Amino acid sequence: DSGVTQTPKHLITATGQRVTLRCSPRSGDLSVYWYQQSLDQGLQFLIQYYNGEERAKGNILERFSAQQFPDLHSELNLSSLELGDSALYFCASSVGGGFTDTQYFGPGTRLTVL
Amino acid sequence: GENVEQHPSTLSVQEGDSAVIKCTYSDSASNYFPWYKQELGKGPQLIIDIRSNVGEKKDQRIAVTLNKTAKHFSLHITETQPEDSAVYFCAAKEGYGQNFVFGPGTRLSVLP
Repeated sequence: DSGVTQTPKHLITATGQRVTLRCSPRSGDLSVYWYQQSLDQGLQFLIQYYNGEERAKGNILERFSAQQFPDLHSELNLSSLELGDSALYFCASSVGGGFTDTQYFGPGTRLTVL
Repeated sequence: GENVEQHPSTLSVQEGDSAVIKCTYSDSASNYFPWYKQELGKGPQLIIDIRSNVGEKKDQRIAVTLNKTAKHFSLHITETQPEDSAVYFCAAKEGYGQNFVFGPGTRLSVLP
């Protein structure tokens, strides 16, 4: 158990809909990272937040957005969902704001878009 | 942007043998190279990492080597055990950009 929690574990929805994925980092960690894992694209870095502020941005689509709240939990919002958005979404957390800090991954949320 | 290739895509070894997985990257400014292990149904787990100012790093049965000139880095696992069976991912952090790019993964099977 990494100490990172993600909810829900599974999510099934339809094309065009909007969903919110939630992540709670390990106690004491200030950074939260979001990743997408699919058969087509592999593992992709989406975005990082550090202590409430966006720190780094990867291959995140404009239809996707994220935020980190004062209690340090984070939410990833996915809108206008397409079939190709079906994937595992992982959240990770680390103590500091740099990628060289060890990232601890959560168990993931499996999103299925029908 | 950064591009990371990883070989082989699958690797089978006998228990006790060594396993080597190689990655190449395109961005010469990349400065951080971690390796992750992902077991079935779980999130990736960092197993070892190396920074661009270091050529080799070891942690018990695991080692990583970095050749900056050739832009490649390798994971070496010695005395493999069945519990080493998993998918292994390499990654590279862009030096000037913000992206963190993963290789496509290697499925390692250690046969008892």
